[in-house]
Amino acid sequence: KAGVTQTPRYLIKTRGQQVTLSCSPISGHRSVSWYQQTPGQGLQFLFEYFSETQRNKGNFPGRFSGRQFSNSRSEMNVSTLELGDSALYLCASSWTGPTGGEAFFGQGTRLTVV
Amino acid sequence: GNSVTQMEGPVTLSEEAFLTINCTYTATGYPSLFWYVQYPGEGLQLLLKATKADDKGSNKGFEATYRKETTSFHLEKGSVQVSDSAVYFCALRPKGGGFKTIFGAGTRLFVKA
Repeated sequence: KAGVTQTPRYLIKTRGQQVTLSCSPISGHRSVSWYQQTPGQGLQFLFEYFSETQRNKGNFPGRFSGRQFSNSRSEMNVSTLELGDSALYLCASSWTGPTGGEAFFGQGTRLTVV
Repeated sequence: GNSVTQMEGPVTLSEEAFLTINCTYTATGYPSLFWYVQYPGEGLQLLLKATKADDKGSNKGFEATYRKETTSFHLEKGSVQVSDSAVYFCALRPKGGGFKTIFGAGTRLFVKA
């Protein structure tokens, strides 16, 4: 079974631009979550999507948004990029059955804002 | 609110030494608890999990026991290898309301040959 796939792996953007990151979950997983990882703040939860609906949201400004498609694939968008948005963005998918719960992570997208 | 506190690193050990990484949590109810490992340049991999009090999770020689009375989930391994060098994250998922996972700050482990 294929794992969680994130594209692209690396991105360099200029301050003020916007960026879209993509995540394909493990087949059969309907929950997709996004996390931002930085050396200073660690792993911070951005949002979770389930059946195309945002179910949980972290404490990030409205410049960070996401969506989920009917095939469970998800995208996150960051508009008006700031230098502080440079981070590793991790996507995780979870099976929502009775024995589920753990998150399976992709390798991440490393975003650098210059 | 929900939070996870784990010991600061880095932790440096010699090969075959005993490893303990402390983790305590704050949560309402009975969350699920996890240990994840992150190797350089990689995403996080689930190492082990426990879903109720007194459960013991184990994998690849690593163990952790869900202790409700002390709100702890300490990671242990009897004999570490150089290949265990990585960053280890303790995490919890509150019961109900989705699959948001809350992570500790991570503990970097260096194992010397």
